Amino acid sequence: AQSVSQHNHHVILSEAASLELGCNYSYGGTVNLFWYVQYPGQHLQLLLKYFSGDPLVKGIKGFEAEFIKSKFSFNLRKPSVQWSDTAEYFCAVTETSYDKVIFGPGTSLSVIP
Amino acid sequence: DADVTQTPRNRITKTGKRIMLECSQTKGHDRMYWYRQDPGLGLRLIYYSFDVKDINKGEISDGYSVSRQAQAKFSLSLESAIPNQTALYFCATSDPQGDGYTFGSGTRLTVV
Repeated sequence: AQSVSQHNHHVILSEAASLELGCNYSYGGTVNLFWYVQYPGQHLQLLLKYFSGDPLVKGIKGFEAEFIKSKFSFNLRKPSVQWSDTAEYFCAVTETSYDKVIFGPGTSLSVIP
Repeated sequence: DADVTQTPRNRITKTGKRIMLECSQTKGHDRMYWYRQDPGLGLRLIYYSFDVKDINKGEISDGYSVSRQAQAKFSLSLESAIPNQTALYFCATSDPQGDGYTFGSGTRLTVV
């Protein structure tokens, strides 16, 4: 069965530090990939997505992610985090022929001012 | 108004009670989903529906049922609530291109 793993359960960074959150998926076919963010007490919001084309995808709020097909990875990055980036981040994948999204377990990011 | 509205926002219920969580959307999407969120487990799919006449089980459907009353409405029921169904429940919609989900604000359910 298709699955998504995220490397870190909880990450703590100081403001201005660089961020990289790891994500790997298990499906061998063509996939669509997503990162969602959930700010404290709120619902999930789409951060960025990859369907095809340039494997480096830019999203909102300065986030970007790189799709590496050979590694089945879709890591999220941000050069300099802010306190307002404190949130939970979910990687997600869906098969292109079937719009049922599978979510990873999430990574909780805490940014210390 | 929100694109996806869930009611209630919070609910405490007793073991054995039947409870319904409601979801309505104004996106005009055919596809609707119910997920539950538990700490450390991410979001797990309970049921999904690709149109009014289509209902499918997700990975954790036991103990739950759904009703798709209209394109815009998709309700989740717990026939006999149990404490391990305590969780945050999210409804979501998507378009046929799978262009990401739109989530509701969630229902926090506590079963005591």
